[in-house]
Amino acid sequence: QSALTQPPSVSGSPGQSVTISCTGTSNDVGNSNRVSWYQQSPGTAPKLIVYEVTNRPSGVPDRFSGSKSGNTASLTISRLQAEDDADYYCSSYSISSTVLFGGGTKLTVL
Amino acid sequence: QVQLQESGPGLVKPSETLSLTCTVSGGSISGSYWSWIRQTPGKRLEWMGFIYFSGSVNYNPSLERRVTISIDTPKNQLSLKLASVTAADTAVYYCARGATYCPNGVCSKARAFDVWGQGTLVAVSS
Repeated sequence: QSALTQPPSVSGSPGQSVTISCTGTSNDVGNSNRVSWYQQSPGTAPKLIVYEVTNRPSGVPDRFSGSKSGNTASLTISRLQAEDDADYYCSSYSISSTVLFGGGTKLTVL
Repeated sequence: QVQLQESGPGLVKPSETLSLTCTVSGGSISGSYWSWIRQTPGKRLEWMGFIYFSGSVNYNPSLERRVTISIDTPKNQLSLKLASVTAADTAVYYCARGATYCPNGVCSKARAFDVWGQGTLVAVSS
């Protein structure tokens, strides 16, 4: 099983929106509602920010939103803030009952 | 709230077995499901396996021949053993709780990870 594909980096200015893509296959993202997104700042553990494609855990700002079309999931961050500067990872549960992660995307807030 | 703390040797010799423990505090290990996840020096995340409070497990097929995850309910701990390690197993190892959500009173396993330990760096070197 291969990792999910994410762009290595994205960037945006404060106040703008950015979207990070996560491409899998019909064995995972395409056939799963269990797609999640994590935010990781340097020296810390990943933090769950989206689960089941579109849901946010309590305390996560509504500036973070998830979606999915076919084999590609997306995370959109609206009204960018300096504190959003971090690494972002997607994950998906697969039809073989395993979890795959994406390679990670570095978001730079300019 | 639930907190996780990994512990174990920071250095393991090639061909030996890596052994880590994760202690759960602030809540019971029962009733949840748990995972070990590692992050390589290149920052790639790799899921290693699930363990359920019943003791049943699902392992990453790429690691299945070498990995063992177990649970000690009285001690509120889970453990990881990875056999025959090589330099490629050098990573930060995290334990994490599997998320369960109950909209409208119906609970489902989200297969996401809502609580993570701080991680522990394990280097494989002679």
